[in-house]
Amino acid sequence: DGGITQSPKYLFRKEGQNVTLSCEQNLNHDAMYWYRQDPGQGLRLIYYSQIVNDFQKGDIAEGYSVSREKKESFPLTVTSAQKNPTAFYLCASSPRPDNSYEQYFGPGTRLTVT
Amino acid sequence: AQTVTQSQPEMSVQEAETVTLSCTYDTSESNYYLFWYKQPPSRQMILVIRQEAYKQQNATENRFSVNFQKAAKSFSLKISDSQLGDTAMYFCAFIPMYSGGGADGLTFGKGTHLIIQP
Repeated sequence: DGGITQSPKYLFRKEGQNVTLSCEQNLNHDAMYWYRQDPGQGLRLIYYSQIVNDFQKGDIAEGYSVSREKKESFPLTVTSAQKNPTAFYLCASSPRPDNSYEQYFGPGTRLTVT
Repeated sequence: AQTVTQSQPEMSVQEAETVTLSCTYDTSESNYYLFWYKQPPSRQMILVIRQEAYKQQNATENRFSVNFQKAAKSFSLKISDSQLGDTAMYFCAFIPMYSGGGADGLTFGKGTHLIIQP
């Protein structure tokens, strides 16, 4: 079955540690996205990537980093510089950014930093 | 920059009733897509319906339909014959439709928590 996988579902880290969230898709989609969701808030865009080896900052990129070495993978690193990292993180993909605007979402990762 | 506003933080209706969720948006773009996503307790985001701004006809998907008023920048979702499984957070989202614009990511409202009572 084609889809988007995010692992792990729950992640716990100590303050000051970097942590990497995984996102893999086998839909052969070109574009991939990372969103953050906080209680009572909609999703906010962190980073996005249209093609391999290229990515752009979204609205709340500070304290995060990404890479896009393979088409199917778009890992997100939450660095110690992120002041409030505890949140629900969602990865999404879309077929081609300029002719298909529908995004498909993964199941999400709940990150708790204490 | 675009903004999306959902003015109803929570709504509750009885099963089988019809309910309408409101969404307004602000943009200077003339061509764009609008979406309604559903997020049940599992937190999986599920696309409910989408509307292309250049289409005057309102989109419909089974029990779900929209009332798209481009001049008023309004995009409401109507759920007919509501079911217990419709209980979820509902998010309105916007994306501009210029070349490469689809890669900019969706702009979401803060959501409406819809509760269907038995």
